[in-house]
This record gives sequence, C-alpha cells and structure tokens, in this order.
Amino acid sequence: DTEVTQTPKHLVMGMTNKKSLKCEQHMGHRAMYWYKQKAKKPPELMFVYSYEKLSINESVPSRFSPECPNSSLLNLHLHALQPEDSALYLCASSRTTLDPAKGYTFGSGTRLTVV
Amino acid sequence: AQSVTQPDIHITVSEGASLELRCNYSYGATPYLFWYVQSPGQGLQLLLKYFSGDTLVQGIKGFEAEFKRSQSSFNLRKPSVHWSDAAEYFCAVDPSNYQLIWGAGTKLIIKP
Repeated sequence: DTEVTQTPKHLVMGMTNKKSLKCEQHMGHRAMYWYKQKAKKPPELMFVYSYEKLSINESVPSRFSPECPNSSLLNLHLHALQPEDSALYLCASSRTTLDPAKGYTFGSGTRLTVV
Repeated sequence: AQSVTQPDIHITVSEGASLELRCNYSYGATPYLFWYVQSPGQGLQLLLKYFSGDTLVQGIKGFEAEFKRSQSSFNLRKPSVHWSDAAEYFCAVDPSNYQLIWGAGTKLIIKP
C-alpha cells in the first residue's frame, strides 16, 4: 500500500460547526504533515508530526487542532472556521523528517468550503 | 533566503511536442530537489527527485529533469506531451529535512 488516504473528499461546514479531517497511511512512515493549499498557489505547511508527536506548528490559528492517535492516522479537527479557511487540505507522509532521501507522499486532499 | 523560482506561470504546448519547464533555486549548498504534478482538484504526485549522483534524473510518466549546479537549475523535460499531461507542475526544494520550499507552479496547457 503506497497511498495516503484522506476523507472526506469534500466538506461544507458552517462557521459554528465542528468537523474533522482524516488522513491514513500504511507505509510505515513516521512523519506526517498537514498542508493548506489555496487556489493557484503552492501548498503551505501547517503541522508536522514526527513519531506521533507534534514537532512543528507553523503559527496556525487554534481553530485548527491536529491529532495523531497512532502512527498510521492523522486528524485535523476544525472549529469556528472562517470563510477564508476554505481551501484544499492536503495530508502527506514521509519515512521520517530526517531522511534526506525521502520523498513525500501526498493524499488527494479534502476540499473544504466554509459558509 | 532560500527560494524557488518557476518563471513561467503558464505554458502552452501542442500535443506531441516537447516540453521544458524551468526551475531555479537559491540555496548555499546542493539541496534536495523535487518535481510534483497536480491535476485539477487532486493531490500532489511526485514525478522525480534529485539528491546526489547522476545529474539527469528519470521519473514517472516519461518525465526527466537535469540538475545543473552552475545554473542553480532543475528543469523538467518530456520529449512528447500527451493531453493527460495538462496539470499544474511544482518544483520544490528541501533544504532543512522537513520543510519543502515550493515554487509558484507552472500551469501546463495542451493544445490539440
């Protein structure tokens, strides 16, 4: 299995809702990432998990809350989002964060619309 | 500061013609270099990567890229494009082992 699976593929939520994005990989990768991508822009790094511990938080607002319950799963909990948070949210994984020969495997993303 | 430049926002190529997408980086040492492709509404797929050795790298889908240290470039090439190659192409550099630095992307349009 060489994939990163993200669910749901599409999500529409109101500004008062609470929702979660899910990411799963079974490649034995120990680093997992959340990216945000606006239209026609490259991805922006949000969070990095290394061995199930949060190692990087790129000054992301607290309305985004990541969680890594085990080495295969990564969640992103969403609460009180703003319309400007509408974007494609991409999950990625790599063998570790310290492997220079690594490549990142990306999921297909969750298209989030905040109304 | 480290940066990646993709000078072409859009490129239009006829189907069957050759393709070259440009990528220049600014970094003190030789970084790890990547090309990713993103079809509309999809995630990013790794086409190829370079971190040492032979400067001509072969990737998936018939793509190749050449690392030129003297020009700080890592251009992506394909001898004959297919309509299915229409997508956004991102060059990226990994200087720090966790943080990819991305170019702005080049949108490839294929003319029939």
